[in-house]
Amino acid sequence: AQKVTQAQTEISVVEKEDVTLDCVYETRDTTYYLFWYKQPPSGELVFLIRRNSFDEQNEISGRYSWNFQKSTSSFNFTITASQVVDSAVYFCASQMNRDDKIIFGKGTRLHILP
Amino acid sequence: EPEVTQTPSHQVTQMGQEVILRCVPISNHLYFYWYRQILGQKVEFLVSFYNNEISEKSEIFDDQFSVERPDGSNFTLKIRSTKLEDSAMYFCASRVQTSGANVLTFGAGSRLTVL
Repeated sequence: AQKVTQAQTEISVVEKEDVTLDCVYETRDTTYYLFWYKQPPSGELVFLIRRNSFDEQNEISGRYSWNFQKSTSSFNFTITASQVVDSAVYFCASQMNRDDKIIFGKGTRLHILP
Repeated sequence: EPEVTQTPSHQVTQMGQEVILRCVPISNHLYFYWYRQILGQKVEFLVSFYNNEISEKSEIFDDQFSVERPDGSNFTLKIRSTKLEDSAMYFCASRVQTSGANVLTFGAGSRLTVL
């Protein structure tokens, strides 16, 4: 079965601190895709990153970085030098190669305090 | 940048009424989806649609729900007789067929409030 677990329900950090959002996935497939989406207070879903199972290279995009570890089935997301505008709910998601849909985790609500 | 457009942004309805939520996917996209998010909860898959038919649906998508693409551009979600528990944000999404990755572009959502 396909499952995504985000154990952190809510995190609060002070601005400029680094914060890591955890994501653990379960899948039977050898080919699969992992995603992170951001949902700001305005409610829309904003795509951040996609990673396929054959590419374990970590990725950095500005203050955002992602650590994909197949050995622990984790795809963690780190925000460096957090800013108040990073406050949002962040969803990790997965898709099996032969499947048509994306399955979301329950999300982590991130509060960046000024 | 192309976007998925949803209307209405917010609809309030009485229990038992029919509701139609509309979506205009990105023009060259072939696969269409509806997801639901009850307030404060996870984003849940409802249904996927390809080649003018449902390709997959979840257990949430019961007989009260239907989808169609009546004119080749709009993609609609109909709830026949709304219940209180249908109150949620409904997201439409679409993707172009690519080999492998399945990057969905989501609309801004339609908030449904059932009284």
